[in-house]
Amino acid sequence: QKEVEQDPGPLSVPEGAIVSLNCTYSNSAFQYFMWYRQYSRKGPELLMYTYSSGNKEDGRFTAQVDKSSKYISLFIRDSQPSDSATYLCATSYSGAGSYQLTFGKGTKLSVIP
Amino acid sequence: DTAVSQTPKYLVTQMGNDKSIKCEQNLGHDTMYWYKQDSKKFLKIMFSYNNKELIINETVPNRFSPKSPDKAHLNLHINSLELGDSAVYFCASSQKTGMGAKNIQYFGAGTRLSVL
Repeated sequence: QKEVEQDPGPLSVPEGAIVSLNCTYSNSAFQYFMWYRQYSRKGPELLMYTYSSGNKEDGRFTAQVDKSSKYISLFIRDSQPSDSATYLCATSYSGAGSYQLTFGKGTKLSVIP
Repeated sequence: DTAVSQTPKYLVTQMGNDKSIKCEQNLGHDTMYWYKQDSKKFLKIMFSYNNKELIINETVPNRFSPKSPDKAHLNLHINSLELGDSAVYFCASSQKTGMGAKNIQYFGAGTRLSVL
C-alpha cells in the first residue's frame, strides 16, 4: 500500500461548483498535511497547510484533516476556471525525518466556464 | 525576483550524454531538494541537502549525483543519460528541518529533460 493515495482524476466541474479533493494515508506518524497546486508546466505551489486534525479555511479553500480515519480533504467553493490545475496532497512527520514530504499522485481538476 | 530558480528550463539530449541542472534559491533556506516528476505526474524525492550536507538519498541510480557548493545552490549532475531519465526535475527549498519544524517547501518551475 502506498503511503499516500490520491485519485488522479481527471475531475471536470462547471464553474461555480463545490469541488472536493481527497487523499488517504497509511502512516499514523504523519502530523503535517499540505495541499499544493500545480498549473500546467509550472512547479507546485503551496496552497494550504494544516497541523494534526481539524479544519483550516482560506478564502474559497478549506482543508480538512481527520486523523482517526487518515483522510485529508480540500474543498473549493465557487470554483473558477483559474482553479484548473493539478492538486497534490502531501504529508510529513513531526520530528526526525520531518524534512521529507510524501506526495499523493495529484488530481487533475478542470473547471469549465 | 524568482525565489527558487532552475536552469535550463528545457533540456533535450542524446542517450549516453552527461548533463547538469542548476538550482539556486534566494530565500535564505537551509534545506534544498531534488524531485523527479514522471509522465504520470507522480512527484518523488530524489535527494535532500541540509546546509550543504546530504540528508536524503532515495533509491536513485548512482549516475545521478547532487552537488551543493553552498546552501543556496544544489545542482544535479546526470551521467550516461538513459531514455527512462526523461521527466521533469524540480528543485525545492525549505527553511528548516528537524523537531517540530514546518516543512513548507518552495518549488522551482522545473527542468523538462528529454532523452532521445
